[in-house]
Amino acid sequence: ETAVFQTPNYHVTQVGNEVSFNCKQTLGHDTMYWYKQDSKKLLKIMFSYNNKQLIVNETVPRRFSPQSSDKAHLNLRIKSVEPEDSAVYLCASTNWGNQDTQYFGPGTRLLVL
Amino acid sequence: GDSVTQTEGLVTVTEGLPVKLNCTYQTTYLTIAFFWYVQYLNEAPQVLLKSSTDNKRTEHQGFHATLHKSSSSFHLQKSSAQLSDSALYYCALSDHDYAQGLTFGLGTRVSVFP
Repeated sequence: ETAVFQTPNYHVTQVGNEVSFNCKQTLGHDTMYWYKQDSKKLLKIMFSYNNKQLIVNETVPRRFSPQSSDKAHLNLRIKSVEPEDSAVYLCASTNWGNQDTQYFGPGTRLLVL
Repeated sequence: GDSVTQTEGLVTVTEGLPVKLNCTYQTTYLTIAFFWYVQYLNEAPQVLLKSSTDNKRTEHQGFHATLHKSSSSFHLQKSSAQLSDSALYYCALSDHDYAQGLTFGLGTRVSVFP
C-alpha cells in the first residue's frame, strides 16, 4: 500500500513538554510538508522539505522543528508545547516542480493541557 | 501573497438537489494549479479535482469545476447531492513557489439532509 502514514493518531500532553510526531510516505515523492489545522479548520503550511532543503514559514514559532532522515520521512518536534499548539498536524507529500497533487496523511491530533 | 476565498462556511442541501461551493482567488503568478480537497470526519484531506487550464471543465465523482481566470474563480458544483457528500471542502491553489505548499481557503462544510 502506498500512502502517507502518521503516528501517533492522538497525543495529550502538558504545557512545557516536548513532543515528536512521525510521518512517512511510500509514494516515492521527493517533497514533504507539514500543515497545521486549527480548531476552526484553517489549514496553513508550516514547513516544506525537498532535497535536504528546508523551507520554514516565517510565522512558525521557533519551538517547532522538522527532522528528516531521508526523502520519505519528515518528523515534527515541538520543544516546549503551548496551549495554542493544540491542533491537528497534517503531513503531505508530492513531487517538486510540477504542481502535482499533494497527498495527505490522516493527521496527528495534539491536545495541550 | 496568494489568497483563496470561500464565501460559505456552511452549506446545507437536501439530498438530490444541486449544490454549489464558491471559490475565488488572488495571486500575482501566471502559473497556478487549483484543487478541491474533501475531508471526511477524522480522515485525511483527499483531492477531489485539479485544474490548471483556463475555461476547461474538470469532473470527478459527480463533481465538476471550471477554472475561470477572467473572474479568478474555481467554483465546485454537483447536480444531485448525496448523503455521502457531507464533508468539509477546501479550495486550494499552488503557484510556482513550490516551497510555499498549498494556499487553502477557510473551507466549506456541506451537510446533506434526506
